[in-house]
Parts: sequence; C-alpha cells; structure tokens
Amino acid sequence: EIVLTQSPGTLSLSPGERATLSCRTSQSISSSYLAWYQQKPGQAPRLLLHGASSRATGVPDRFSGSGSGTDFTLTISRLEPEDFAVYYCQQYGSSRITFGPGTKVDIK
Amino acid sequence: EVQLLESGGGLEQPGGSLRLSCAASGFSFSSYAMNWVRQAPGKGLEWVSGISGSGGTTYYADSVKARFTISRDNSKNTLYLQMNSLRVDDTAVYYCAKGSSSGWYRFDCWGQGTLVTVSS
Repeated sequence: EIVLTQSPGTLSLSPGERATLSCRTSQSISSSYLAWYQQKPGQAPRLLLHGASSRATGVPDRFSGSGSGTDFTLTISRLEPEDFAVYYCQQYGSSRITFGPGTKVDIK
Repeated sequence: EVQLLESGGGLEQPGGSLRLSCAASGFSFSSYAMNWVRQAPGKGLEWVSGISGSGGTTYYADSVKARFTISRDNSKNTLYLQMNSLRVDDTAVYYCAKGSSSGWYRFDCWGQGTLVTVSS
C-alpha cells in the first residue's frame, strides 16, 4: 500500500499570505493519480485539484498544484478567509486509494 | 444539481450489521462509478469501497474486505453499503462520493455523510 505523508501538520498563516502544503508518497506515482481535497469543519470534503495540477470545476485560480514522482505541492497564492480548512492529498494505485493525514491551515 | 443523500447510519453493537444507502440525483447515475469514504471522529479520510457504473466491478480497502459489500441499483439511482461483522473501529461518518468522468478514483461530489457508531 502506498503511504502518503503530509507536511506540515498545521500551518498558521494570516489572510493574504501564501500557503505551501507538501504531500509525499512512499512510492513513485503518476501525477495523473494525485488529487487534493479541502474539508471545512462539519462539511464534506471538496475536490480541489486532480492530476496533481488541474483545478476542479469552480475552484479559484489562487489554488495551484505541482509535483511528480513522490513529491507534490499544493499552493494557495493568497489566503482568503474561506480557505482556512484541512487539506488532504489522495492517490490511486493498484485498485487502492489512500489519503494523506491532512494539513490544517489555520488563522495566525 | 448533483445531490447525494446518505441514510442508514446509527448505533450498532460489535458483530452486528447495518446497511447504508445513498440516493443520487442530478446526473446519469449509471454512467459513473461510486464510492464510500469514511472518517472516524476527529480523524482523516479513509477510502472504503468503490463500484463501477454497471456494478460489475467492485473494489475494497483491506480493512473492510470480506465484511462489507458495495452494490448499486441503477433503476433506483441508489448506492448501498452492507456492513457485517461490525467492529468498534468502524465507527465513523460514512460519505458516498461520485467518481469523476476522468477516473473512478477522483471524487468530484460528496454527500453530507451518515454517522455509524459501533459500541456495546
């Protein structure tokens, strides 16, 4: 099973700042199989990015993704108040899907 | 508008059974794979199971294989999860999630979840 590690566990930032979230996989994966989700308290997750860098429908362009192999990054260029949430990366491989433990972005 | 509405959660004893349902609307249900994803209280997300649009192919996480069964009724636009031999660590909010058109493993729409509590 491919294990995902996310860092940092918590990121404390102010609105307007840039957020950089990391996701590492225990084995190299195709970037096609890496996605990012956002989850706010009491809500279901929401797909943000798929294929490592393609934004899902309706996702603002301040969200961007990059990476390949085992290292992937989600960047939020300028944090808006509604962006404070938990972010999960997810991978698919060998008919199994795994999520990372999440990075919480909270208000400094 | 795509809508997914889960039901069937509740309190069950260890070793018991529950069946979850997910009623779908707003899209061509039979054209898309569907999945169940769970989240234990205060914890992260765990994929549980997936099923192809026709229902002919199913996938399971190792943690639930041989205990849970995913199925669908395309005539009723409904997804199911039969959960047997429930354990305390199956306690979680269970979400149904729609697979995207570009891959069954990408979840582009989620329900609001139903809480399953396994406790004696």
